[in-house]
Amino acid sequence: AQTVTQSQPEMSVQEAETVTLSCTYDTSENNYYLFWYKQPPSRQMILVIRQEAYKQQNATENRFSVNFQKAAKSFSLKISDSQLGDTAMYFCAFLGGSNYKLTFGKGTLLTVNP
Amino acid sequence: NAGVTQTPKFRVLKTGQSMTLLCAQDMNHEYMYWYRQDPGMGLRLIHYSVGEGTTAKGEVPDGYNVSRLKKQNFLLGLESAAPSQTSVYFCASTPGTEAFFGQGTRLTVV
Repeated sequence: AQTVTQSQPEMSVQEAETVTLSCTYDTSENNYYLFWYKQPPSRQMILVIRQEAYKQQNATENRFSVNFQKAAKSFSLKISDSQLGDTAMYFCAFLGGSNYKLTFGKGTLLTVNP
Repeated sequence: NAGVTQTPKFRVLKTGQSMTLLCAQDMNHEYMYWYRQDPGMGLRLIHYSVGEGTTAKGEVPDGYNVSRLKKQNFLLGLESAAPSQTSVYFCASTPGTEAFFGQGTRLTVV
């Protein structure tokens, strides 16, 4: 069974600076997807970025990028030029396996300070 | 497209009462999931379904039942609610590449 671990329950960053959120996972699968989801106080789950395991190139979406290390089973999220609107809970998630189970980490609460 | 719709959005139950949460998706997704979210615990999988007529247990299935009689609907039932089931419940669906979520249901059991 796959597991997802986020070792940073809380983080803070100054506006305009860069921050990196960590995520590690454990799986015996070779093909899978990894995601970072953002959950602001509104409770809505918003997809930030997606990585397909068979792609070696790291995914990027504007100010958001990942460092995907498949052998190390690591999937960190880098947020550049942090904005106040980035304040939210961030969840790392894994989707894969024959049963397509979608597994989440416990989340990292990110606060962007003015 | 409505995406994933959960009903109701809020509910207060008395201990021992029963209720059903409905998740409906209009994207023809095969896979659907029910989670509960509690502070510091992330999203924990209750039950999931890999297709119409199929269901499987997640990591916290006790006290819940599910059914997927139609592909677009995934129902979560609480037969006898307990205060420990006070939580925010999320439904999600995926075609296998990206997950789409409902708005969540805040359930309080008193």
